[in-house]
Amino acid sequence: AQRVTQPEKLLSVFKGAPVELKCNYSYSGSPELFWYVQYSRQRLQLLLRHISRESIKGFTADLNKGETSFHLKKPFAQEEDSAMYYCALDSGGSNYKLTFGKGTLLTVNP
Amino acid sequence: NAGVMQNPRHLVRRRGQEARLRCSPMKGHSHVYWYRQLPEEGLKFMVYLQKENIIDESGMPKERFSAEFPKEGPSILRIQQVVRGDSAAYFCASSPTGTNSPLHFGNGTRLTVT
Repeated sequence: AQRVTQPEKLLSVFKGAPVELKCNYSYSGSPELFWYVQYSRQRLQLLLRHISRESIKGFTADLNKGETSFHLKKPFAQEEDSAMYYCALDSGGSNYKLTFGKGTLLTVNP
Repeated sequence: NAGVMQNPRHLVRRRGQEARLRCSPMKGHSHVYWYRQLPEEGLKFMVYLQKENIIDESGMPKERFSAEFPKEGPSILRIQQVVRGDSAAYFCASSPTGTNSPLHFGNGTRLTVT
């Protein structure tokens, strides 16, 4: 069975500091991984997906199959990055059969 | 575009009652997905529907749960004879096409079974 683990429930950094949100997964097949974000009083929305290999709002994430990880990184955090971040694994190759981690609440302090 | 609309936002049911959760997809979207978030857990896929068709129900519990997306009106997730373990947040998402298009989520319905 697939599983997504986000070990940090809370993460607090200062503005301008680097940030890394950890995500580890367990899946026997070839994984497709995503990061979703939920800003305060807004809906859950897609931040980035690993197959796109793109940087969104300064965030990047690299799939490391050896370590079964998909950590989200940003070199210089901004206050507007404060949000709940969810890592998700697609076990169907279809973009919708998603299993999410429990989420990490990122707070960027001024 | 109002986005994906779910109602009610909060629903309280006694054990044994039925719960009906509604989801209206974004305008122009004909694909609907339901997810459940149990307490202290992440969201998990339940079911994928198109108009009048269930495409994938591999994540649905085998009993008491059903979903529909009729030709007219919202998608409905129905839970019969609710039990305390059904207490959760239920999220709906929609997309304009099936595979590989971004999902747009609603605000969720929080079901509490007393």
